[in-house]
This record gives sequence, structure tokens and C-alpha cells, in this order.
Amino acid sequence: KNEVEQSPQNLTAQEGEFITINCSYSVGISALHWLQQHPGGGIVSLFMLSSGKKKHGRLIATINIQEKHSSLHITASHPRDSAVYICAVRSQGAQKLVFGQGTRLTINP
Amino acid sequence: DTGVSQDPRHKITKRGQNVTFRCDPISEHNRLYWYRQTLGQGPEFLTYFQNEAQLEKSRLLSDRFSAERPKGSFSTLEIQRTEQGDSAMYLCASSFTGGSSYGYTFGSGTRLTVV
Repeated sequence: KNEVEQSPQNLTAQEGEFITINCSYSVGISALHWLQQHPGGGIVSLFMLSSGKKKHGRLIATINIQEKHSSLHITASHPRDSAVYICAVRSQGAQKLVFGQGTRLTINP
Repeated sequence: DTGVSQDPRHKITKRGQNVTFRCDPISEHNRLYWYRQTLGQGPEFLTYFQNEAQLEKSRLLSDRFSAERPKGSFSTLEIQRTEQGDSAMYLCASSFTGGSSYGYTFGSGTRLTVV
């Protein structure tokens, strides 16, 4: 079992829908990152969380440390949100990130 | 500062050749990381530096791989005697360890194809 599991692996939705991507992890962490990767490879950091909830524009990220679970929500989704969304965790005492396999999101107009 | 730069963006090489990639981190960032990503998978950790010291290496980093960060600024990743299994996206990231900030900034990656 991977340390970081994401669901779903693929998600297709219509423009305007509310999107939720889930991430579960099995180790104690000091931080969890949500990242966005577009075709071509570049990765953009969306959020870094250690507790609670963060919001940036239409994106909301939450984390429940006790349940070892995080969610990324996108409100009023748009075709430009189509990308791979990756959850990554930094274990306590470590510096490297351990990544989930990513969720491929496609938003149709 | 334009972020983390990686060069080249793409590299096609014949099996058995050596290749070298470069990463220029954000100038204030003292930590630099290399990750490898194969198709359809999340990135996997290869190695990281704090300043010029290489502090951790993954078992993925075989003897054919070597990374350096000679002056604590840019870093190079060399792969000797490339194999088809080395084909992947090689990602560099940097971060600053100050206070509570551990935010990562990623480069655009170098896509290696070994033919």
C-alpha cells in the first residue's frame, strides 16, 4: 500500500460543477501539499497545509490530521482547471515529499 | 527571480550515452531536491541538498546517477550509460528552511527519452 493514496484517479465533470479530490496518507506528517501539473510537466504548488483549511480563489483545501485525510475542492469548475492534481506529504522529521499518483481532472465546457 | 529553472527542457539520447541536467533554484532557497516522474505516476524522490551538502539519497539513485551542488547554488544531475528505463521527467524543486516556511517551488522539469 502506498503511503499516499488519492481518489479518484480520473475525474470528468461539466463546467460549473463542484469538484472534490481526496487524499489519504498513512504516516505522521508535518505538512501536506496540493500541487497542480499541466501537460508538459511543470508543477505548481497550490497549498501547503499542516492543519485546518485554506482557501485561494475557487480552490479550498482541508486537512484532518486525526483521520490522516485531506481534500481539495474546486468551486465553479472551469475547463482551464483541467490538469493533474497531486497530493504530497512531508513526514515528520523528513525533508523529502512523498507523492500520491495524482488525479487527472477534465472539465468539459 | 524567475523561479526554479531547469535545462534542458527535453533531451533525447541514445542508450549508453551520458546526460547531464542542470537546475537553478530560487536564489534564497538553501534546499534543492531532485525527483523523477514516470508516465502516469507521481514523482519519486531521488536526492536533496542543503546548501552544498547532499543529505539524502534514494535507493532509486543507482551508481550511474550522480548529483552535485558545488557552491550551494545550481545543481547538476548526471546519468551515465543511460538505459531505456531512465526515460522520465526529472523535476527539480527548491525550498527555504526559515521559520515555519517549507514551501516548495518546482521547476518545469527535464523530459529525458532514451532510444
